[in-house]
Amino acid sequence: GAGVSQSPSNKVTEKGKDVELRCDPISGHTALYWYRQSLGQGLEFLIYFQGNSAPDKSGLPSDRFSAERTGGSVSTLTIQRTQQEDSAVYLCASSSGLATYEQYFGPGTRLTVT
Amino acid sequence: QQQVKQSPQSLIVQKGGISIINCAYENTAFDYFPWYQQFPGKGPALLIAIRPDVSEKKEGRFTISFNKSAKQFSLHIMDSQPGDSATYFCAASKKTGGGNKLTFGTGTQLKVEL
Repeated sequence: GAGVSQSPSNKVTEKGKDVELRCDPISGHTALYWYRQSLGQGLEFLIYFQGNSAPDKSGLPSDRFSAERTGGSVSTLTIQRTQQEDSAVYLCASSSGLATYEQYFGPGTRLTVT
Repeated sequence: QQQVKQSPQSLIVQKGGISIINCAYENTAFDYFPWYQQFPGKGPALLIAIRPDVSEKKEGRFTISFNKSAKQFSLHIMDSQPGDSATYFCAASKKTGGGNKLTFGTGTQLKVEL
């Protein structure tokens, strides 16, 4: 079956612009996670959704970052007023539910802020 | 505070040899320990995982050894092949009401030479 998909695969933006990154989880997966992979920080957790609610937003680095999930499926991560330190690969993962540990990752969106 | 420490940072192994990557964790509440394999330009792929109630899990050429008292776990790749050349990440998570966010090690770049 189809895996986790993310779009765009690459995004180049100018400092100060807003960007939206999209994640389509595996069909039927109720849990969705966003992570960021950067050279300096490795792989780090950003936010977790169960259904449409986000019980854990503890990894969002600043109030410029926000995310939403609608219909229990697609999620959008929004970064406002992008900074150069936001350059990274943003990864989305989904899991079949609260009782399940396994997370399956998408290919990521590479964000470059110039 | 780095909760999962991974070593070595890079590893070169001859074809047919055994690759060994080690991780140590600090938080005794962790109860799930996966390994992910990542190829350039791709998202991490779940390779194998273990729960702390067992000391070893084997899947094909991949084995996880787990030492709960030492708070350490390792990945062994038997009969290493050039196709195994990738970056490997260990991770850990604990189940909470806020999901199962993964805490990752810093990664090991494995190169298997002919």
